[in-house]
Amino acid sequence: AAGVIQSPRHLIKEKRETATLKCYPIPRHDTVYWYQQGPGQDPQFLISFYEKMQSDKGSIPDRFSAQQFSDYHSELNMSSLELGDSALYFCASSYGTSGGQETQYFGPGTRLLVL
Amino acid sequence: AQKVTQAQTEISVVEKEDVTLDCVYETRDTTYYLFWYKQPPSGELVFLIRRNSFDEQNEISGRYSWNFQKSTSSFNFTITASQVVDSAVYFCALSEGRDDKIIFGKGTRLHILP
Repeated sequence: AAGVIQSPRHLIKEKRETATLKCYPIPRHDTVYWYQQGPGQDPQFLISFYEKMQSDKGSIPDRFSAQQFSDYHSELNMSSLELGDSALYFCASSYGTSGGQETQYFGPGTRLLVL
Repeated sequence: AQKVTQAQTEISVVEKEDVTLDCVYETRDTTYYLFWYKQPPSGELVFLIRRNSFDEQNEISGRYSWNFQKSTSSFNFTITASQVVDSAVYFCALSEGRDDKIIFGKGTRLHILP
């Protein structure tokens, strides 16, 4: 079965650079979620989109922005990167929103290293 | 406020032993969802189970079983006859009915020794 696709899988950036992470949800899924997992930490919710509209927001820094496109893929844009942004970034998708009523299926993650 | 506590940071057992991972949650909502995810060394998050707050039936899936008890706010996970491939970090998680976000516990790192 098709899964969530994230690209790139690995990314190395310098401080103050920008990065764009992409997420392609499971076919027919219309909701995407972004999570950040620091080294040895649990995943932290950043933001979610349902039908191209932001539906929930968590601890996403102002330097980050995200959007969902008409084909339901999503991009997370990160600017003025800091060392602390080094983490594993997960995208998840589900069909429909409304909290945990629909299971979130996670992609393999993008590992970002900021030097 | 919602919170998930996994008191066991790390567990090591010998292959073929049974092991139970504990999870205690806090929420003020009457409608909520509980999850377990597995994160193997390769890093991906693998969905294992979702339960809603109105269904306290225990569930068994092969060697995996889950015990949901609202009276103690617990959602424990047992692996029977553990195998080396079960070695991973296991996250218990909670989502309240009105929220999109999943709140994860800190995870339990499980080592299955051959």
